[in-house]
Amino acid sequence: DIVMTQSPDSLAVSLGERATINCKSSQSVLSSSNNKNYLTWYQQKPGQPPKLLIYWASTRESGVPDRFSGSGSGTDFTLTISSLQAEDVAVYYCQQYYSTPVTFGQGTRLEIK
Amino acid sequence: EVQLVESGGGLVQPGGSLRLSCAASGFTFSSYWMHWVRQAPGKGLVWVSHISSDGDTTNYADSVKGRFAISRDNTQNTLYLQMNSLRAEDTAVYYCSRGDRYWGQGILVTVSS
Repeated sequence: DIVMTQSPDSLAVSLGERATINCKSSQSVLSSSNNKNYLTWYQQKPGQPPKLLIYWASTRESGVPDRFSGSGSGTDFTLTISSLQAEDVAVYYCQQYYSTPVTFGQGTRLEIK
Repeated sequence: EVQLVESGGGLVQPGGSLRLSCAASGFTFSSYWMHWVRQAPGKGLVWVSHISSDGDTTNYADSVKGRFAISRDNTQNTLYLQMNSLRAEDTAVYYCSRGDRYWGQGILVTVSS
C-alpha cells in the first residue's frame, strides 16, 4: 500500500499570509504512460463531505479560488494557499489514486493565527 | 444537478449487518466507477471500497475484506454496501463518492451494544 504522510499535522497562519501543506507518498504516484501524478487535494469543513480542490497534483477544480494551487511530482507534493481567508479554516487531505487501495494522508488542520 | 444520497445507516450491535444505499442522479451513473469512503468520529478519511462502472471489478480495504460487499444496480442508479460482522471500529460516517468532486452528505453507522 502507498502511505501518504502530510506535514505539518496542524498549522496556524495569519489572515492574508501564505499557507503551505506538504504531502509525501511512500512510492511514486507518477504514471509513465501519461506523465500524470495521481494525487488529489481535498478540503473538509466540520459536518461536511470533502470538497475537491486539486487533481492531477496541480489542476484546480472548477470554481476553486485561484489562491489554491498544487505542485510537486513523483513522491513530494505541496498545497499552497497564497493569501489565507477566514473561510479556508478546514482540514486538508491529500489522496493518491495511482494504485489500490486508494489512500489518504492523515490530514492537516489549518487555523487562523 | 448531480446528487448522491446515502441511506440505511443507524445503530447496530457488534456482529450485526447493515446495507447502505447511495441513490445517484443528475449524471450517467453507469459510466462511472463509484467509491465508499468512511470517517470515524474525529478521525481522517479512509477509503473502503470501489466498484467499476459495469460492476465487474471490486476492491476493498484490508480492514473490511471478507465482511463488506459493494454492488450496484445501474438500472436503478444505486450503489450499495453490504456490511456484515460489524465491529465497533466500523463506527463512522460513510460517504459514497464518484471519485471526483461529487460526494454524498454521508450516513452515520454506529456499532455498539
